[in-house]
Amino acid sequence: GAGVSQSPSNKVTEKGKDVELRCDPISGHTALYWYRQSLGQGLEFLIYFQGNSAPDKSGLPSDRFSAERTGGSVSTLTIQRTQQEDSAVYLCASRHLGQDTDTQYFGPGTRLTVL
Amino acid sequence: GQSLEQPSEVTAVEGAIVQINCTYQTSGFYGLSWYQQHDGGAPTFLSYNALDGLEETGRFSSFLSRSDSYGYLLLQELQMKDSASYFCAVRDNGNRDDKIIFGKGTRLHILP
Repeated sequence: GAGVSQSPSNKVTEKGKDVELRCDPISGHTALYWYRQSLGQGLEFLIYFQGNSAPDKSGLPSDRFSAERTGGSVSTLTIQRTQQEDSAVYLCASRHLGQDTDTQYFGPGTRLTVL
Repeated sequence: GQSLEQPSEVTAVEGAIVQINCTYQTSGFYGLSWYQQHDGGAPTFLSYNALDGLEETGRFSSFLSRSDSYGYLLLQELQMKDSASYFCAVRDNGNRDDKIIFGKGTRLHILP
């Protein structure tokens, strides 16, 4: 595709349920990032994948959060036993390593609402 | 630790010039980027500085001083459509990590 895509665009769930958020990066981009953005706030780093290296999970807020990236392309962020404080927009970005700049290309995000 | 500091809000008048500052503290440093985000939208890349000095792209310019761990985004001839949040970001290449960390963002209000 032409850009980073994410699905679903909106997700409403009940407290305690599990959710899966999907990110499809730009073809050929080996670096993939997940961020969380609460209303009116900055981007909170969650996790970073780079090629076949072990992911940098240092930003995941708890063990309820996990992510995987299959085949070096699509990534899924899973939140188990969702809590109301998990409500936020979850943004995915991809980047082509080796370019002269640090340009990240962001997807439109998934707005998660936990009731 | 890693941190980026930028003002939470800035207000300017249409047609004027505004500067948004960013200071950073990271274990490693590769470059400073700036992103724009309109309400309800995704961040979009504006500019990047890896070396000291000023980079100009149309009405937007970005400056970096590595020795001061400081940079700024300069917006000239402000237009109402420039009302948005602006984020500085640093690629921290310390500890093998290559992750990109964002500041909390500066909300730019433009008055007619």
